[in-house]
Order: sequence, then C-alpha cells, then structure tokens
Amino acid sequence: NAGVTQTPKFQVLKTGQSMTLQCAQDMNHEYMSWYRQDPGMGLRLIHYSVGAGITDQGEVPNGYNVSRSTTEDFPLRLLSAAPSQTSVYFCASSYSGKGTDTQYFGPGTRLTVL
Amino acid sequence: TQLLEQSPQFLSIQEGENLTVYCNSSSVFSSLQWYRQEPGEGPVLLVTVVTGGEVKKLKRLTFQFGDARKDSSLHITAAQPGDTGLYLCAGVDGNDYKLSFGAGTTVTVRA
Repeated sequence: NAGVTQTPKFQVLKTGQSMTLQCAQDMNHEYMSWYRQDPGMGLRLIHYSVGAGITDQGEVPNGYNVSRSTTEDFPLRLLSAAPSQTSVYFCASSYSGKGTDTQYFGPGTRLTVL
Repeated sequence: TQLLEQSPQFLSIQEGENLTVYCNSSSVFSSLQWYRQEPGEGPVLLVTVVTGGEVKKLKRLTFQFGDARKDSSLHITAAQPGDTGLYLCAGVDGNDYKLSFGAGTTVTVRA
C-alpha cells in the first residue's frame, strides 16, 4: 500500500494563479481532509470529506475549494492564489473520521505564493 | 486562539534527561491524540487516549489524559536523539469530524 500520496511536493505560484493540489489514498478510507501548517500555528483544518460526494468546511476554508468524486481522491483547489496561502499543505485520511481513528498523513506539499 | 495550547513551544535537552510536554484546553475532549512529526514529513500517530485519568505507556513515552478530559501530558524518560521532533496534540471537542491540533512542541535531544 502506498498510503496517502500528495503531488506536487513543491510548488511556486504567482499571486492570482490557480492550481490543484492532488491527494490520493489506497486504504479505502471514507474520511479525507486537508490541513495547512504554518510556523507556530500547528495544523489547521481547511476542508474535510466523510465520503464520496460529501464535503464540509473546516477552520480556514476561505480561498479553497474541494470535491470528492471518488473514495480515493480528494483534490484541493486554490482559485486565485494569495501570498497568505504560502504554507505546507497536508492531506490526511482515516477510516471514518471519528476522533479515535488514526489519521494517516501524506508527505505534504510546500507551496510558495509570490 | 488555539483550542489546544501546548507548552513549552521549544525544548532542548541532553540525551538521557527526562522531559514533559503539556497540552491544555478549556474544552472537554471526547478523545485526545498525540502525533510526532519529523522535518519534511507528515505527522505520525503515537497514541490515542479516551478515558479521563487514563495513562498509556509506549516504551519510554508515557501519556496521561486529565481526569476532566481537558488536558494531557507526554513524558519521555531517558530521551534519545531519535526522540527529536515536533510533538502535536490533537482532539475533537464536539463535531466528531473536526480534529483540532495544538501548535506543537519542538523537542531537540542533543547527543
């Protein structure tokens, strides 16, 4: 099993550009989520999904869109990148999303917006 | 404002010393988890605690969940350089699908 995979690993964007961060898992997990990690802030939840076709907002959803058309994939879209979105982005998955589940994290995407 | 406050923010100790990291909140959590993250990688789960007063041991690591389920601590005995990393606590206080993380404690163990 590859676990949770994320692409790209690094990305540099100009302000106003759009892009999609890819996330895939091969563990047949129902729950998937996106976090951003900034120095001194820990991980903050952007969006999450409890199953294909179902998504909901987390703590910091503004400027990001998600969709979940399959169980395996959960892409994160930046519609118009801003310097404030410079961060490290982590995708995670778990069996059901319950607080006692193990969250499996991908290796992260380091995004810089100029 | 972080739902979960971790202290200290940084900790640097010599190999063989003990250390304790704290995770506190004003909210009651149904469960609490501790993760360790190494540079350039995603966090990896160490433990989940669910019962107030619960103590779990993982080799030299001891985790405790407060009686009121508002706080937790991680104690490392005889720390080794391999324990170096960012330690994060995380919990769910209401919505079972929104896991909140503390800002983390960066632990450095010098050889």
